[in-house]
Amino acid sequence: DGGITQSPKYLFRKEGQNVTLSCEQNLNHDAMYWYRQDPGQGLRLIYYSQIVNDFQKGDIAEGYSVSREKKESFPLTVTSAQKNPTAFYLCASSPQGADYNEQFFGPGTRLTVL
Amino acid sequence: GQNIDQPTEMTATEGAIVQINCTYQTSGFNGLFWYQQHAGEAPTFLSYNVLDGLEEKGRFSSFLSRSKGYSYLLLKELQMKDSASYLCAVLDSNYQLIWGAGTKLIIKP
Repeated sequence: DGGITQSPKYLFRKEGQNVTLSCEQNLNHDAMYWYRQDPGQGLRLIYYSQIVNDFQKGDIAEGYSVSREKKESFPLTVTSAQKNPTAFYLCASSPQGADYNEQFFGPGTRLTVL
Repeated sequence: GQNIDQPTEMTATEGAIVQINCTYQTSGFNGLFWYQQHAGEAPTFLSYNVLDGLEEKGRFSSFLSRSKGYSYLLLKELQMKDSASYLCAVLDSNYQLIWGAGTKLIIKP
């Protein structure tokens, strides 16, 4: 079955540590996205990538980094520079060249900093 | 700036009809999406509107008025499983999705 997987579902990290969240898709989508969701707020875009080996900062990129070495994979690293990293992180993908930009989401990773 | 407004929370009764409104002010417009999100889960696509009017899909319908910067999602014959958050998102001139904070819908028996 085609879809997007994120791992792990729950992640705990000590303050000052970097952590990498995994996102893999087998939908053959060109574009991939990382969002952060906090209670009572809309999804906020962290980074996005429209093609392999290229990515762009979103609205809240500070303290995060990404790579896009393969079409299927778009890992997100939450660095120690991110001041308030506890949140629900969602990865999404979409086909390029479509008439509209429906995004398909993974199940999410809930990160808690202890 | 870009802004999308939705009510924070709504309550409705099982079997009834509910309308969730969304107003937007964005730099350009290339379509409006509605997503459903159950607590702790990923958003799932419900509808897409780019032209004015009503799009019907089973128990769910979505309406758009571009001149008014307004959309609504209409849910009929409400079921308990419809308890979720409903997210409105607009595709701006750069083809980036701008998200509202979501409306939490509570269904009571």
